[in-house]
Amino acid sequence: EAGVAQSPRYKIIEKRQSVAFWCNPISGHATLYWYQQILGQGPKLLIQFQNNGVVDDSQLPKDRFSAERLKGVDSTLKIQPAKLEDSAVYLCASSLRGGVGQETQYFGPGTRLLVL
Amino acid sequence: AQSVTQPDIHITVSEGASLELRCNYSYGATPYLFWYVQSPGQGLQLLLKYFSGDTLVQGIKGFEAEFKRSQSSFNLRKPSVHWSDAAEYFCAVGAWIFGNEKLTFGTGTRLTIIP
Repeated sequence: EAGVAQSPRYKIIEKRQSVAFWCNPISGHATLYWYQQILGQGPKLLIQFQNNGVVDDSQLPKDRFSAERLKGVDSTLKIQPAKLEDSAVYLCASSLRGGVGQETQYFGPGTRLLVL
Repeated sequence: AQSVTQPDIHITVSEGASLELRCNYSYGATPYLFWYVQSPGQGLQLLLKYFSGDTLVQGIKGFEAEFKRSQSSFNLRKPSVHWSDAAEYFCAVGAWIFGNEKLTFGTGTRLTIIP
């Protein structure tokens, strides 16, 4: 079974530029998550999709971050314009149905973003 | 609000020695508890999880964890570490927050193994 795929693996941009990350979840997984992991911290949930609908985006900085999952499969996370404090690893995860009680979240390798 | 504390930022252990990584949580009800491992350049992999029942949970790679309600702890243990166990370990609590059930992670403990 293929895991969660993410691209690119690394990205360096200057502040005020835009950047986009792509995630392809495990086949058949309805729930997709984007996490931000700043150096020295644990992952923080940015947005959660159930199929192509948003379940939770309470911690997404909506003035600069956006995400979509148009066909309920792969997803794109965009930052525009980027700030220095956006430097982090962006992790994508998926689970079969959602909820953490009985479901396991499977994580991709992440995209490491450096904003200069 | 729920929170997770991992008091040890970095631990160094000799290969073959025993290991215990500490995790304390704060949550009003009985939470779901998890341990994940993150190797360099890799995503997080689930080691084990606790939902209910037996408070001693067995996981993959020879790890186990014990839920102690009285101490609000969920410490991870392994009797004999291998060089391949060197990684970052994250404890997480699953809880309902503003209508959504989601994970809150600790800040992680980096494990170094010396020969």
